[in-house]
Amino acid sequence: DIVMTQSPDSLAVSLGERATINCKSSQSILYSSSSKNYLAWYQQKLGQPPKLLIYWASTRGSGVPDRFSGSGSGTDFTLTISSLQAEDVAVYYCQQYYSPPFTFGQGTKLEIK
Amino acid sequence: EVQLVESGGGLVQPGGSLRLSCAASGFIFSDHYMDWVRQAPGKGLEWVGRTRNKANSYITQYAASVKGRFTISRDDSKNSLYLQMNSLKTEDTAVYYCTRVDSGSYSSYWGQGTLVTVSS
Repeated sequence: DIVMTQSPDSLAVSLGERATINCKSSQSILYSSSSKNYLAWYQQKLGQPPKLLIYWASTRGSGVPDRFSGSGSGTDFTLTISSLQAEDVAVYYCQQYYSPPFTFGQGTKLEIK
Repeated sequence: EVQLVESGGGLVQPGGSLRLSCAASGFIFSDHYMDWVRQAPGKGLEWVGRTRNKANSYITQYAASVKGRFTISRDDSKNSLYLQMNSLKTEDTAVYYCTRVDSGSYSSYWGQGTLVTVSS
C-alpha cells in the first residue's frame, strides 16, 4: 500500500499570511504515460463532509478560491494558501488515487494564530 | 445540483449486519465510479471501497480492513449506491460517506454521511 504522510500535524498561521502543508507518498504517484500526479487535496471543516480542493496535484476544483494552490511531483507535494482567511480553518487531507487502496494522509489541522 | 444522500446508519451489535444506501441526483449516475469513505470519531479519512461503472464491468475494489465482510453494489436504474456490511466489528464505528468519482480517479462530491455505531 502507498503510505501518505502529511506535515505538520497542526499549523497556526496569522490572518493574511501564507500557510503551507506538505504531503509525501511512499512511492511515486506520477503516471509517466500521462505525466499526471494522482493526488488530491480535500478540506474538511468542523461538522462537515470533506470538500475537493485540488486534483491532479495542481488543478483547482470547481469554485475553489485562487488563494489555494497545489504543487509538487513524484513523491512530494504541497498545498499552499497564499493569504489565510478565517473561513480556511479546517483539517486538510491529501489522497493518492494512483493505486488501490486509495490512501489518505493523516490530516493537518489549520488554525488561526 | 449534485446531491448524495446516505441513509441506513444506526446502532448494531458486534457480528451484526447493516446495509447503507446512497441516493444520487443531479448527474448521470451510471457514468461514474462511486466510492465509500469512512471516518471514525475524531479520526482521519479511510477509503473503504469503489465500484466502477457498467462500461468497466462494475468492478469493485476494497480496503483490506473490510474485504470479505463488506460488499459494494449499485442500481443504476435507481441512481443508488449500496454498502452491505456483515460481521461488523467495533472498529467499523464511523461516519460513512459516499462520494462521486470523476475521471475514474478523485472524489469530486461527498454526501453528508451516515453514522454507524457497532457496540454491545
